[in-house]
Amino acid sequence: DVKVTQSSRYLVKRTGEKVFLECVQDMDHENMFWYRQDPGLGLRLIYFSYDVKMKEKGDIPEGYSVSREKKERFSLILESASTNQTSMYLCASRLRAGSYNSPLHFGNGTRLTVT
Amino acid sequence: AQSVSQHNHHVILSEAASLELGCNYSYGGTVNLFWYVQYPGQHLQLLLKYFSGDPLVKGIKGFEAEFIKSKFSFNLRKPSVQWSDTAEYFCAVTRARGSTLGRLYFGRGTQLTVWP
Repeated sequence: DVKVTQSSRYLVKRTGEKVFLECVQDMDHENMFWYRQDPGLGLRLIYFSYDVKMKEKGDIPEGYSVSREKKERFSLILESASTNQTSMYLCASRLRAGSYNSPLHFGNGTRLTVT
Repeated sequence: AQSVSQHNHHVILSEAASLELGCNYSYGGTVNLFWYVQYPGQHLQLLLKYFSGDPLVKGIKGFEAEFIKSKFSFNLRKPSVQWSDTAEYFCAVTRARGSTLGRLYFGRGTQLTVWP
């Protein structure tokens, strides 16, 4: 079974802090994604990466950046955390680029609270 | 831009009732379609998917969905729900070809509550 591991289940940070959310997958997947999940808004794509050192903006990239230095790890960075970034953050991975009918495998999520 | 609409935000049913959750998408080309489920406290997991062939697809736990191309719909059904089906359900769509390289677009989700 594919395992997508997010380093923290719950995180509380202060406004203005730089925040790192880490995600690791163990199945040599090429594609990795960061979503945020908010009640009534569903899942919104922040950034995604098709392979190592590649990244693409999703629908709501403002205030975020990402890093993919190794294939198994995809980091989401909040440059200066703000209260409107309080949310559930979901990492997902997929086998490879072009595998459009392959499902995403999700981590358990990181619930971030910015105070 | 691609969009996915889920018509029901919250559905409440009694056990053994039949379920149908609506999903419509806006893209006119060839698509791949998914339903994901998120049980309380758990991660999102795939319920079923359609990418070609028989438009009626069967998934886990007795769920099925029908792709109706002319209606741009992919509704989820279950003939008899159980209390354990209480969860949030997400419809998702990706283009089968084109420049978006397999981006998955999600609907806003439908919370299903089943009373025992």
